[in-house]
Amino acid sequence: SQTIHQWPATLVQPVGSPLSLECTVEGTSNPNLYWYRQAAGRGLQLLFYSVGIGQISSEVPQNLSASRPQDRQFILSSKKLLLSDSGFYLCAWRESWGAGEKLFFGSGTQLSVL
Amino acid sequence: EDQVTQSPEALRLQEGESSSLNCSYTVSGLRGLFWYRQDPGKGPEFLFTLYSAGEEKEKERLKATLTKKESFLHITAPKPEDSATYLCAWGGATNKLIFGTGTLLAVQP
Repeated sequence: SQTIHQWPATLVQPVGSPLSLECTVEGTSNPNLYWYRQAAGRGLQLLFYSVGIGQISSEVPQNLSASRPQDRQFILSSKKLLLSDSGFYLCAWRESWGAGEKLFFGSGTQLSVL
Repeated sequence: EDQVTQSPEALRLQEGESSSLNCSYTVSGLRGLFWYRQDPGKGPEFLFTLYSAGEEKEKERLKATLTKKESFLHITAPKPEDSATYLCAWGGATNKLIFGTGTLLAVQP
C-alpha cells in the first residue's frame, strides 16, 4: 500500500534562517506531488506541484522554492524565512493515472518563524 | 477567478442534531468536487469525490450531494467523534485542487 512520509512534524526557526522540508512517497511510481500551506483558520493554499523529476510548477510568488530530485521525493526550501512563512505545510500525492483525482496528504509540518 | 466558498465557517451541533454544510464554486470545467475531513494538527483525510450534478455518495453518517453550482455535506445524527474541519475542493482540467476555507464542526454530547 502507498504511504507518504513528511518530516519534521514541528519546527521553530528564526527569521532569516534557511528551511528544508522533505516528503517521500512509498508504494507508487511517478506520482504527482504537491506542497500546500495552511495558515491558522484558513484553507489550503497550493504552493507547488510536480508531475515528474525536475518538473516544478509554482502557484504563488514567494521566497519558497521546491525541488524533486527523485521520483518519490519532494523538497520545500527557503534561503531566508520570513515571519509570514509560518503555517502548517502539507505534502500530498496523486497517482498520475487511475485512482480518480483524489489527493492523499501527509501528516504535515507545523512551522513557526519567530 | 475560480473560487470555492464554504459555509458556515463554524457550526456547533448537539449530538443527534442533523445539519448540512455548503460548498459553492464559481469555476470553469469541473472535473470533480472533493470532500475531506481534517482533525487538528493532521493532514486532511479523503471522504468523497463527486463528478456530476445529481450524484450522491454516503459514508456512515455523512452524505455528499452535488448540483451544478454547489455541494452539500449532510450529517445525520452526528456524534462527538464527527467533530472536525470539513474541507471541500474543486478539481479542474489541470493537476491541482482548489480548496475552500473549511467548516469547523463541533458536536457536543
